[in-house]
Amino acid sequence: QVQLVQSGAEVKKPGASVKVSCKASGYTFTSYGISWVRQAPGQGLEWMGWISAYNGNTNYAQKLQGRVTMTTDTSTSTAYMELRSLRSDDTAVYYCARVGEGLAHWGQGTLVTVSS
Amino acid sequence: SYELTQPPSVSVSPGQTARITCSGDALPKQYAYWYQQKPGQAPVLVIYKDSERPSGIPERFSGSSSGTTVTLTISGVQAEDEADYYCQSADSSGTSRVFGGGTKLTVL
Repeated sequence: QVQLVQSGAEVKKPGASVKVSCKASGYTFTSYGISWVRQAPGQGLEWMGWISAYNGNTNYAQKLQGRVTMTTDTSTSTAYMELRSLRSDDTAVYYCARVGEGLAHWGQGTLVTVSS
Repeated sequence: SYELTQPPSVSVSPGQTARITCSGDALPKQYAYWYQQKPGQAPVLVIYKDSERPSGIPERFSGSSSGTTVTLTISGVQAEDEADYYCQSADSSGTSRVFGGGTKLTVL
């Protein structure tokens, strides 16, 4: 069965960077892209961007351009999302999800807390 | 930037029909997707490509599209359907994805 397992919770100071991983199993990794979605406490879902696991092409949300980088390691079937210059309003649960006919498979989420 | 508009809340009694709308200028050109999210859980896809239902999703969930509005319909609402529902689609160019603000469904 398809599984996406994310790395554990992180606490970061403002201005720092965070890198969240998403290890995929149960399917051919390079056949699907990975989207990243975040959710601030008590707020709605925000699409951050996506990466093709086939060729590494990316498409980022305009508001995050310049601060976010999405990568994949096909040898370990793992996707990564790095967010730099963290601010307090980046505090959120970050999800990875497999891109197909919609986002049918999601990771469990990673809480990133930005606090001084 | 492109936006999808949903009502903040919808309330229905058990057994009734709930309709949640999502409006956006590009919806005539781009497919819509619907997600259900319960507290503390990851979202679950309940409708894809406007009206298709993934395997395992109950038949009471259906989707439709008309012009710039798509609608998620839940027939015979059950207590377990109480959740937040989000629509998702793309802008007119198809390059940027966006979620609606979410609708809290309350089962009275």
